Order: sequence, then C-alpha cells, then structure tokens
Amino acid sequence: AQSVAQPEDQVNVAEGNPLTVKCTYSVSGNPYLFWYVQYPNRGLQFLLKCITGDNLVKGSYGFEAEFNKSQTSFHLKKPSALVSDSALYFCAVRDTGNTPLVFGKGTRLSVIA
Amino acid sequence: DTAVSQTPKYLVTQMGNDKSIKCEQNLGHDTMYWYKQDSKKFLKIMFSYNNKELIINETVPNRFSPKSPDKAHLNLHINSLELGDSAVYFCASGTGEGQPQHFGDGTRLSIL
Repeated sequence: AQSVAQPEDQVNVAEGNPLTVKCTYSVSGNPYLFWYVQYPNRGLQFLLKCITGDNLVKGSYGFEAEFNKSQTSFHLKKPSALVSDSALYFCAVRDTGNTPLVFGKGTRLSVIA
Repeated sequence: DTAVSQTPKYLVTQMGNDKSIKCEQNLGHDTMYWYKQDSKKFLKIMFSYNNKELIINETVPNRFSPKSPDKAHLNLHINSLELGDSAVYFCASGTGEGQPQHFGDGTRLSIL
C-alpha cells in the first residue's frame, strides 16, 4: 500500500529565509506524488505534482519539490518564505489510474515577520 | 466560477438527526470523491465515484450514503448522526492519469 510520512508537525521560519517541509514516501510501482496547501477554513489547493523520476519539480507560488529516489523523499522547498505562506501543507501519493489520494498527517508552516 | 462547490459550509445539528451535504463540480471530471478531515487535520478517503458508479467505499459506517445523480454531482447523506461524525467533509473531483484533484472548501459538521 502507498503511504507518505511528514515527520514534522510544525515548521517555523523567518520571512525571507528558505523553507523546507519534509515528506518521505513508501510506494510500489510508479505512483504520483503531490503537495497541497490548506489555508484556514478553506479546501486544499494543489501546489505541484511529481511523476516519480523527476528530480526537481516547480509548482505554484514559487514552491518547488525535490524528489530523491534513494532517500524516498519528496521535500517541499521555497527559496524565500513569505508570511502569507503560513498554512497547513500536505504531502500525498496516488496510485496509477483515477484513485484517491493518500495523505500525510500535514505540517503546519509558520513564517514569522 | 467555483470549480468544486459544497453546501452548506457549516452544519450544526443534534445527535440522531439526518443531514445531507451537496457537492457539484463544473470541471467536467469523471471522478468525484468524499474525504473526511478529523479534528487532528488528518485526511482520509471515504468514497469515490466514477461516472455515477461507486468504485471505492472505505470502511465507513453504512449510516453514510453517497449518491451521484450525474457525474457533476456527488451528495453525501448521513443518517442518525453521532458525536464522532463531527469533522470537516471535503468533496473533490479529478480526471486522468496523475492529474491533481480539485477540492471544495469543505463542510464543517458539528454534532451537539
């Protein structure tokens, strides 16, 4: 079964500094990996996706994700954090076909001015 | 135009009542989903429909009954509501291999 793990409940970063939100995965085959963001009282917004094999994936709002097959990681990154990036971030995996997403537990990002 | 819309946004009701949540998508997607987000923000799939047919039904109590009148709509009816049903319920839609799913803003269900 596919699964993802987000080892950090909370990440704090100063505005203007680079940010990393970690995700590791356990999958079989060639599934798809995703990052979503959730702002308060809102649904999940798609940030980016990776077809396992891409090394660096660029997404929305200046975010990118670094895929590392040997470490089974798919970390979310941004070179310079904004206060408005403060939100809950979810890593997710999805098998081939039109299957549901399997989510990590989420990481709360706080960007401090 | 809202891509995936859910109504109501908030639902406060008493234990034992029956309630429905509606979802509509205007993206032309073939597949729709219901996810449940609990108080710890953990998200889990409940149901998946493809072209009005149920394809995934996770271990959800049979008090929950999804209905898809057409591929643009997926409603969720809940009978005999219990305290543990309090959560945020998200509708989503998707299509095609590896394409992202689009989520509604959620329905926050609170059982008194």
